[in-house]
Amino acid sequence: GAVVSQHPSRVICKSGTSVKIECRSLDFQATTMFWYRQFPKQSLMLMATSNEGSKATYEQGVEKDKFLINHASLTLSTLTVTSAHPEDSSFYICSARETGTGGLEQYFGPGTRLTVT
Amino acid sequence: GENVEQHPSTLSVQEGDSAVIKCTYSDSASNYFPWYKQELGKRPQLIIDIRSNVGEKKDQRIAVTLNKTAKHFSLHITETQPEDSAVYFCAASTGGFKTIFGAGTRLFVKA
Repeated sequence: GAVVSQHPSRVICKSGTSVKIECRSLDFQATTMFWYRQFPKQSLMLMATSNEGSKATYEQGVEKDKFLINHASLTLSTLTVTSAHPEDSSFYICSARETGTGGLEQYFGPGTRLTVT
Repeated sequence: GENVEQHPSTLSVQEGDSAVIKCTYSDSASNYFPWYKQELGKRPQLIIDIRSNVGEKKDQRIAVTLNKTAKHFSLHITETQPEDSAVYFCAASTGGFKTIFGAGTRLFVKA
C-alpha cells in the first residue's frame, strides 16, 4: 500500500528558532500533499495544500511567512516553522494523494510532535 | 467554505453492540466522504469511503450511508469489539482535494 513517512517524529526546539519537517511518499508519486495541525483531543485542521512545482495554497488564518512550504519533487514536501513560539507546539501531520490513479484517498504520515520551549 | 459537523463527540457501547456516528456537510459540491480511525498518538487510517454517486457502501462490519439531498452521511459499525475503541473522523472533500474534517467521535467499546 501507499506509505507516507515524516521526519522527525518528535522535535523540541527553543523559542525563536526554525524547524523543518519532511513529508515523503515512499512508493508513489504525489503532485499534491497536505499539511494539517492537530491539537490534543481535537480534529485535524488543514493548514495548506502543497503542490509540486508551484506555491502552496494556505487556508485562511494560516501565516504563509511563518509556515513555509516547499514541494520540490513528486515525493517530498517540507514544512518549515519559522521563529517558533510555544503556541506553535502541536502535532503536525502531512498527507499525500497518489498522482495519476484517479484515486481520491489521502495517505497520512505518522505525524511530527513539535514542542517549543 | 465547507463545514462538517459530527455527532456524537463521545460514544460508549457494550461489546457486540452497534455504533453509529453521523455527519453533515454544507458544500453541495463535496463528492467524496472518507472516514478515518485514529488511535492515540498515531496517524489517521482510512477505514471506508464513499463517493457521491453511491448511497451505501459496506466492508465487513463497517458500512457508510450517504444522503446527498440532506447532506448527511453516517458510519455504522456492527458487532463492536474493544479494538474498535479509537477516535473516528468523518471528512468531506471535492475531488479529493481540500478535505475538511469533522470534530471527531471518541468511541469506547466496553468488554
